[in-house]
Amino acid sequence: DTAVSQTPKYLVTQMGNDKSIKCEQNLGHDTMYWYKQDSKKFLKIMFSYNNKELIINETVPNRFSPKSPDKAHLNLHINSLELGDSAVYFCASSLMRTEQFFGPGTRLTVL
Amino acid sequence: AQSVTQPDIHITVSEGASLELRCNYSYGATPYLFWYVQSPGQGLQLLLKYFSGDTLVQGIKGFEAEFKRSQSSFNLRKPSVHWSDAAEYFCAVGLNTNAGKSTFGDGTTLTVKP
Repeated sequence: DTAVSQTPKYLVTQMGNDKSIKCEQNLGHDTMYWYKQDSKKFLKIMFSYNNKELIINETVPNRFSPKSPDKAHLNLHINSLELGDSAVYFCASSLMRTEQFFGPGTRLTVL
Repeated sequence: AQSVTQPDIHITVSEGASLELRCNYSYGATPYLFWYVQSPGQGLQLLLKYFSGDTLVQGIKGFEAEFKRSQSSFNLRKPSVHWSDAAEYFCAVGLNTNAGKSTFGDGTTLTVKP
């Protein structure tokens, strides 16, 4: 019955590596998002896709690349990981630009 | 651009006491307004929302919020706090014309004393 799921839940990796986080929603929503939450709990939007089209692309290093293979999935690929990328990454989805449903988060630790 | 301010970084209340968390927004028109709660180690969960109509909205877990246009505020209230309400609370502003982008406040951490 999971509405918005993310994998993996925890990700520990070395600087310079490339990693991906996957997100899936089974709510039939048309818009999906990636957020970054830092150690102070501040939440910043990174990307948003509506019907597989990129509609929000905030000031994010181009090492971060989202991909939406279909409306139910939004993945985040990160190249050349840096210490500052350590954070919790949340996926969310919404229907018709209303309230958002969040996944449980992926805690990324870069060593 | 829209913005959201949550003036209180941290609030401590005793169990059973009333609670009010403040939220002020900046936008030229009436935005969509949301309150979310984040329990430790969890994602955000919607508590309530305001789109239009009655300015007093009821949410889950006994929370309510009141939209005051004149004060650009959307404060969250609960008459009697339970220990399980200890969490991080986020106010958010959304715009129907901006591709669903929501701007989140910096959050208020609620601690509940026994």
